[in-house]
Parts: sequence; structure tokens; C-alpha cells
Amino acid sequence: GAVVSQHPSRVICKSGTSVKIECRSLDFQATTMFWYRQFPKKSLMLMATSNEGSKATYEQGVEKDKFLINHASLTLSTLTVTSAHPEDSSFYICSAPRGNEKLFFGSGTQLSVL
Amino acid sequence: QKEVEQNSGPLSVPEGAIASLNCTYSDRGSQSFFWYRQYSGKSPELIMSIYSNGDKEDGRFTAQLNKASQYVSLLIRDSQPSDSATYLCAVTWGNDMRFGAGTRLTVKP
Repeated sequence: GAVVSQHPSRVICKSGTSVKIECRSLDFQATTMFWYRQFPKKSLMLMATSNEGSKATYEQGVEKDKFLINHASLTLSTLTVTSAHPEDSSFYICSAPRGNEKLFFGSGTQLSVL
Repeated sequence: QKEVEQNSGPLSVPEGAIASLNCTYSDRGSQSFFWYRQYSGKSPELIMSIYSNGDKEDGRFTAQLNKASQYVSLLIRDSQPSDSATYLCAVTWGNDMRFGAGTRLTVKP
């Protein structure tokens, strides 16, 4: 079964609203989680690294005020897309490493902003 | 600069043939290498991991790593239509994992 749970799987929202996506590690503690976005027929683009108990590390070009990340517990990281616009429509995926090397992915969230 | 490069394809092979997917990476300090398969609209799923030079076989899949050439490949034997997907190469530097752009594979019946 899934070891990383991501919700919701699909969300449609109006422009200007905020959307929160949750990523949970189910049977292990994840001090680090990763957030990616993926456009159609493109590869995963790392947006940020979420660190439990501290600030997230954002990749160059990713607006931290636009994409708020909170990693308040060892099993939960959230990504909030604030004031979403149509260009934010994308597939968002989280992942968490279990052990030293194995990386597990959430099922992804398809965001559509109207 | 940590970069992972793949030929985006599309790569088309007939059913039963061998599909060969290639990946190069930029930094010799990389530690671990992975191949993920991603179906459209789904998240990636791990197929193979390889950590040392040489070949690693798992069923119809063989991963090949050559650290001197900074090259990792995936061979799929007896390709099936269900293997049609995008294959992502991933390379880690510590906790930092980078993905290639992916190669789209189509296996024709």
C-alpha cells in the first residue's frame, strides 16, 4: 500500500483563492519532504525541500510567498498555493525519503485554476 | 551544477523487442541512481535503483551504471504494451535528488 499519502488528488478553484495540499508519511517519520510540480509532458521540477521544524528551502525561481510550505510534524507537510492564478495550474507531487535512499512519492494533486 | 539529461524521445519499439533508455549526469559526486516509471497523470513509481558500477537485473529490467562515463541506462527486455510510459532517470547527491526530463516509451503491439 501507499506509504506517502497526498490529498486532494484533484482540485478546481477560482482565480485568487488559496489551495492547500497535504502530504503525509504513513508508517515512517519524514524530517524532509520534497515538493515538485510537473507540467504536461514535462519532467518533475523540484520546487522546495520541506524541513520539519524549520523553514523550507526553495529552489531558484520559486516564490516562497506564493508557495507556502509548512512541515509542522514528522509526518505532515503542507503546500499552500496562495492567490492562485491560471498559470499555477499544474500537477503537484510530494515525496519523502524513507531510510537513507528510498524515495516514496505521493499520488499527486492536479490543480486547475479557472 | 547538478544536471541529469535524457533523450526525451519518443522512443518506439515493437512488442517483444528490447527498449534501451539512456541517461547522463553532470557531477561525479553523485551517489545513487534510480529509474522511475510514470504513467500519464500518475506519480512516478520506482523500477530500479543502482549504486555501484556494472549491471543490476530485476526480471525484465536491467540497469547499467558507468560512473567513469557518468552514464546510467535501463534495458527493458521483451517489451510489453503495458511498458508504454515515461521513464525518469534520477540521481542523488546526498538528500538532493534530481530528475531527467524523462523519455517517453511506446511499445507497439
